[in-house]
Amino acid sequence: GEDVEQSLFLSVREGDSSVINCTYTDSSSTYLYWYKQEPGAGLQLLTYIFSNMDMKQDQRLTVLLNKKDKHLSLRIADTQTGDSAIYFCAERDTGRRALTFGSGTRLQVQP
Amino acid sequence: DAGVIQSPRHEVTEMGQEVTLRCKPISGHNSLFWYRQTMMRGLELLIYFNNNVPIDDSGMPEDRFSAKMPNASFSTLKIQPSEPRDSAVYFCASSLDRGRETQYFGPGTRLLVL
Repeated sequence: GEDVEQSLFLSVREGDSSVINCTYTDSSSTYLYWYKQEPGAGLQLLTYIFSNMDMKQDQRLTVLLNKKDKHLSLRIADTQTGDSAIYFCAERDTGRRALTFGSGTRLQVQP
Repeated sequence: DAGVIQSPRHEVTEMGQEVTLRCKPISGHNSLFWYRQTMMRGLELLIYFNNNVPIDDSGMPEDRFSAKMPNASFSTLKIQPSEPRDSAVYFCASSLDRGRETQYFGPGTRLLVL
C-alpha cells in the first residue's frame, strides 16, 4: 500500500529558509500536497503539485518533486515565526480519491 | 464562503455513551471525507462519500462506527458505544471532484472518551 514518510522535527532561525522533505512509495501518485496545521486548528492546504511537474513556486513556497526518487520537498523562504506549525505531505493515487498523509514535520522557528 | 463546518468542536463523554459528530461541507462540493487524527496513527481516512453515496469505508475501525450523508449539505459520524481508544481529533473535509482533488478541512472535533 501507499506509504508517506517525513522527518518529525525541523528547527530554523527566523529569516532563514526551511526545507521539509517527504518520500512516498506509490508510483501511481498523481497529485502531491502540502498542508499546514497550526495548534488546535484544522489542516490548511498550502500548495499542491501534479506528478508531471518538477517544480512549483508560490510566493515564499517552492515545491520540488523528484519522481524518480519519489521525493518531495517544500522550501519556505524567509521563514517567519508565524510559519511555526506542523506540515503534512500527502499523496493521492489514480485509483483512490482519498489522501494518504505523512506523519507531519513540526517546524519550529526561532526568533 | 464559511468553509467546512464541524460541530461540536470539543466533546467529552463517558465510555459506553453514543457520540455524534456533524459536518457541513462547502456548498457545491460533491465529495466528503471523514479523517481521524491520533498521535499514534497520524491522519487516517475513515470513510468518504461522493454525491452522498459512501464509496470507501474501509477505514472505519469497526461496527461501532457509522457514517451517513442524508443530503449534500450534511453528514454525521456516529460512535456507539464509545470507548477510550476512540479519543482523537476527527476531521471532515470536502472537495469538488474535478481531478485535482483539493480537499478543504474543517477545524475538527476533539473527542475525549473517559
